[in-house]
Amino acid sequence: GAVVSQHPSRVICKSGTSVKIECRSLDFQATTMFWYRQFPKQSLMLMATSNEGSKATYEQGVEKDKFLINHASLTLSTLTVTSAHPEDSSFYICSARDQAGNYNSPLHFGNGTRLTVT
Amino acid sequence: GESVGLHLPTLSVQEGDNSIINCAYSNSASDYFIWYKQESGKGPQFIIDIRSNMDKRQGQRVTVLLNKTVKHLSLQIAATQPGDSAVYFCAENLTGRRALTFGSGTRLQVQP
Repeated sequence: GAVVSQHPSRVICKSGTSVKIECRSLDFQATTMFWYRQFPKQSLMLMATSNEGSKATYEQGVEKDKFLINHASLTLSTLTVTSAHPEDSSFYICSARDQAGNYNSPLHFGNGTRLTVT
Repeated sequence: GESVGLHLPTLSVQEGDNSIINCAYSNSASDYFIWYKQESGKGPQFIIDIRSNMDKRQGQRVTVLLNKTVKHLSLQIAATQPGDSAVYFCAENLTGRRALTFGSGTRLQVQP
């Protein structure tokens, strides 16, 4: 149980275009999902917290107009990288916690999306 | 700011040996800790967790130790196998915060 699915797994786009990444919880509902970014050989850095039915909460230094988050249902959150630039190339990973679980329970991660901006 | 960090960036062990991966944390307000395993090109995979009211927890071939006095967390893997080769991250959950904060990671290399 507690599977998080992320799509696409890889995407290559041209500079200036936008890319949408989907994150789905397959067997549980999640009012909150978390988007992380990981650069090569580095750790995961929290970008934003996606809240179902309300605005996302962004970490300091993350541009909300560049990384648009929509959490339209209890099983789907999307991250759109707008006007992508080469420096946005990274590994984006979403995660969620079964809403029935308390905060002291594991986050379940998707398999990530490798974004390359040319 | 307060953060979670690791002592060793790379650990190389022989197949069959026991592995110990260490993690130091600085936030005394953290009340929950998790170890994740990440293979190349994949998302983190849950290994084991521990709450701050415990000092030891065992799973299958893995043990997590928590020393709150010195703010230290370790992951012990018994009889390490080639399939254990990956990057291991500790993560902490600050009291009342929903997201996890990750440490810098340790790469475990298992030599056959």
